[in-house]
Amino acid sequence: DAGVTQSPTHLIKTRGQHVTLRCSPISGHKSVSWYQQVLGQGPQFIFQYYEKEERGRGNFPDRFSARQFPNYSSELNVNALLLGDSALYLCASSLEFTPGNTIYFGEGSWLTVV
Amino acid sequence: EDQVTQSPEALRLQEGESSSLNCSYTVSGLRGLFWYRQDPGKGPEFLFTLYSAGEEKEKERLKATLTKKESFLHITAPKPEDSATYLCAVQKGFQKLVFGTGTRLLVSP
Repeated sequence: DAGVTQSPTHLIKTRGQHVTLRCSPISGHKSVSWYQQVLGQGPQFIFQYYEKEERGRGNFPDRFSARQFPNYSSELNVNALLLGDSALYLCASSLEFTPGNTIYFGEGSWLTVV
Repeated sequence: EDQVTQSPEALRLQEGESSSLNCSYTVSGLRGLFWYRQDPGKGPEFLFTLYSAGEEKEKERLKATLTKKESFLHITAPKPEDSATYLCAVQKGFQKLVFGTGTRLLVSP
């Protein structure tokens, strides 16, 4: 069975540009969340979506937005990129939006902003 | 403020030399404590979830335990393939995970 899949795996953008990252959850999983991991740090929570609705938002600026589609896949959008946005962006999925559900991560999308 | 602190930051072991990694936390409304393994350039790989003090879980050479203030990941007779960063995270609310900065483990043959 396929795990959480993310695309693209690597990308380079210029400051001020916009980026869209995509995520397909594990088949049957309805909850998707996004994390940012800067080198040497643990992942930081950005968003969570369940049944196409935002259910949680971390301490990130409004330049960050996301959405979930009817097939439960998700997109993370970042506008007006800054050098500090360079990081590994991780998507995670779980079966339901309930505590204790195992949360599985994808391999991530490496974003470099130059 | 919610905090998750992992120690040590880095640990170097000889193959077969057992040790423990620590994860201490201060968080209100803890729903679960998660351990993940992360290889360089990869996403975190799920290892364990612990829900209540006194709980223990095992997988191969790894054993995770939980108290009211901290969790330990015990590694028994490690092998070089156990080398990775081990991340601890606490679950708040319904799903949000708050991570520590990880322990980088290097096991030498």
